[in-house]
Amino acid sequence: GAGVSQSPRYKVTKRGQDVALRCDPISGHVSLYWYRQALGQGPEFLTYFNYEAQQDKSGLPNDRFSAERPEGSISTLTIQRTEQRDSAMYRCASSWSGGTQYFGPGTRLLVL
Amino acid sequence: GQQVMQIPQYQHVQEGEDFTTYCNSSTTLSNIQWYKQRPGGHPVFLIQLVKSGEVKKQKRLTFQFGEAKKNSSLHITATQTTDVGTYFCAVDSNYQLIWGAGTKLIIKP
Repeated sequence: GAGVSQSPRYKVTKRGQDVALRCDPISGHVSLYWYRQALGQGPEFLTYFNYEAQQDKSGLPNDRFSAERPEGSISTLTIQRTEQRDSAMYRCASSWSGGTQYFGPGTRLLVL
Repeated sequence: GQQVMQIPQYQHVQEGEDFTTYCNSSTTLSNIQWYKQRPGGHPVFLIQLVKSGEVKKQKRLTFQFGEAKKNSSLHITATQTTDVGTYFCAVDSNYQLIWGAGTKLIIKP
């Protein structure tokens, strides 16, 4: 595709529900990154993949957060038992093996 | 872990005035990247600096990397309304990007 796409763009959920956020990277990009961005802050690293392998998940806040990229392309970030503090913009980026990162439009998550 | 300090947090300028944002690190950086995020948008890559003392220009934007590779700056000459947004520096560290807090450029009406 022309750029990184993410879906949904907006997600409103009730506390305690699980959510799955999807990222479709630029075709051919090896590396895929997940970030969380609070209003007025820079992106906060969550995790990243090279192909299907999760290389670093040190930024995931706790074990309610998980991510996968089973076929080395599309990735899903899952948040289980959501809490209000999980509300944020979740951004995905992709790059050609660690180079310049290209960001998607983000998914704005609101947990009520 | 590696941290990057970015200042100022905000800068209010009249249209036509200059704007500068600075990033500093206590450790030597392998490279530094600059991104622009428009209001309501996502970060967009502007440039990467790699060499000590490197200076790169993009029209009215001038990017510098310090001689010791511990600091960097972005300078915009004669700001325009299209320059409005938040400018972030980011450092590539083990394939992670460590981000500065950003400097928000605000054009006074």
